[in-house]
Amino acid sequence: EAAVTQSPRSKVAVTGGKVTLSCHQTNNHDYMYWYRQDTGHGLRLIHYSYVADSTEKGDIPDGYKASRPSQENFSLILELASLSQTAVYFCASSPGQISNERLFFGHGTKLSVL
Amino acid sequence: GEQVEQRPPHLSVREGDSAVITCTYTDPNSYYFFWYKQEPGASLQLLMKVFSSTEINEGQGFTVLLNKKDKRLSLNLTAAHPGDSAAYFCAVRPPTGGYKVVFGSGTRLLVSP
Repeated sequence: EAAVTQSPRSKVAVTGGKVTLSCHQTNNHDYMYWYRQDTGHGLRLIHYSYVADSTEKGDIPDGYKASRPSQENFSLILELASLSQTAVYFCASSPGQISNERLFFGHGTKLSVL
Repeated sequence: GEQVEQRPPHLSVREGDSAVITCTYTDPNSYYFFWYKQEPGASLQLLMKVFSSTEINEGQGFTVLLNKKDKRLSLNLTAAHPGDSAAYFCAVRPPTGGYKVVFGSGTRLLVSP
């Protein structure tokens, strides 16, 4: 079973501050993703990466940066956190681009921006 | 692009009742479909994946039906029990753009004893 570990599990940040969410996977997957989940909504894709040192924009990239320094690690960076970025953030990985492959999710990071 | 609508957003049933969650999608060429379960405070776990060549899949205590003609995917929990209380999400992989997964908005299911 693929293991995806996120840190921290929860965080309180101040408006305008910098926030970094980290994700680590141990199953040699090429693809990694950052999703955002808002109450009553599904998951929306922020950024994804299919190779180290490269990231791609998802559907809602504004206000977020991503970094993939190695195959195992994928970070989400909020340079200037805003109230609207309060949400639960999920990291996920998948073996590749094949359509029938499932996503393996981390446990999520609950971010509260005050 | 692909859009997925999931209904109902909330569902409350008694233990032993059935519960049906439905997703409709827009791209007739979408080919792979997934159901994820998210227990409170936990991550999303794969419940089942369904391909277009399979219309009905049965798991432990649930059935997934894919109706390509109507572009509808449904999850039917038969004889629900309190342990089924969770959020359920459908997800669709469109045929193009391999990274892309479009999620439904989720259904919060509560099964009371």
